[in-house]
Amino acid sequence: GNSVTQMEGPVTLSEEAFLTINCTYTATGYPSLFWYVQYPGEGLQLLLKATKADDKGSNKGFEATYRKETTSFHLEKGSVQVSDSAVYFCALPPQGSGTYKYIFGTGTRLKVLA
Amino acid sequence: DTEVTQTPKHLVMGMTNKKSLKCEQHMGHRAMYWYKQKAKKPPELMFVYSYEKLSINESVPSRFSPECPNSSLLNLHLHALQPEDSALYLCASSLTGAGGYTFGSGTRLTVV
Repeated sequence: GNSVTQMEGPVTLSEEAFLTINCTYTATGYPSLFWYVQYPGEGLQLLLKATKADDKGSNKGFEATYRKETTSFHLEKGSVQVSDSAVYFCALPPQGSGTYKYIFGTGTRLKVLA
Repeated sequence: DTEVTQTPKHLVMGMTNKKSLKCEQHMGHRAMYWYKQKAKKPPELMFVYSYEKLSINESVPSRFSPECPNSSLLNLHLHALQPEDSALYLCASSLTGAGGYTFGSGTRLTVV
């Protein structure tokens, strides 16, 4: 069945460091892929998405490229800020009509130190 | 309006109480969802409403009772909950099943 595997956290970085959070998936065909972010005490927000192979999603300085050859969708940011401290979830949306269940990765907690 | 609004933000209830969580969106989304999230875990799907009809019930205990009065509102009625039901309850909506969700900020529920 479909699945998402996300790197374990927590990840602790100093401000302005480079960030990579790994995500790989298993699915039939070429589904869309999403990254969600959850700030402390909040719900999840859609951070970025890619709808087809080789697409690059980007938002707020974060980027992720849909790599079909490695079935990966790693999240990167060149220079993290304290305000980026949050939990990041990689997600595979439902596939097929009449289906609604997202598959979320386990989440990676990021802590950025000033 | 691009938000999903959940009330209340915090709720403490006893095991014999009856309470309701409310969720509202005005984006014209026809799919609405209830998720439960325990600490340090991803959200777990509970219920899906599509066009105001219950489409999915993920084997949730009957002490949780969803209701969709109209296309903008979603309720979750709670009765005789257990302490292990304490969690963050998230409402979400989407235009279609495959599109990105818009999540509310959640209700932090504590059962005492």
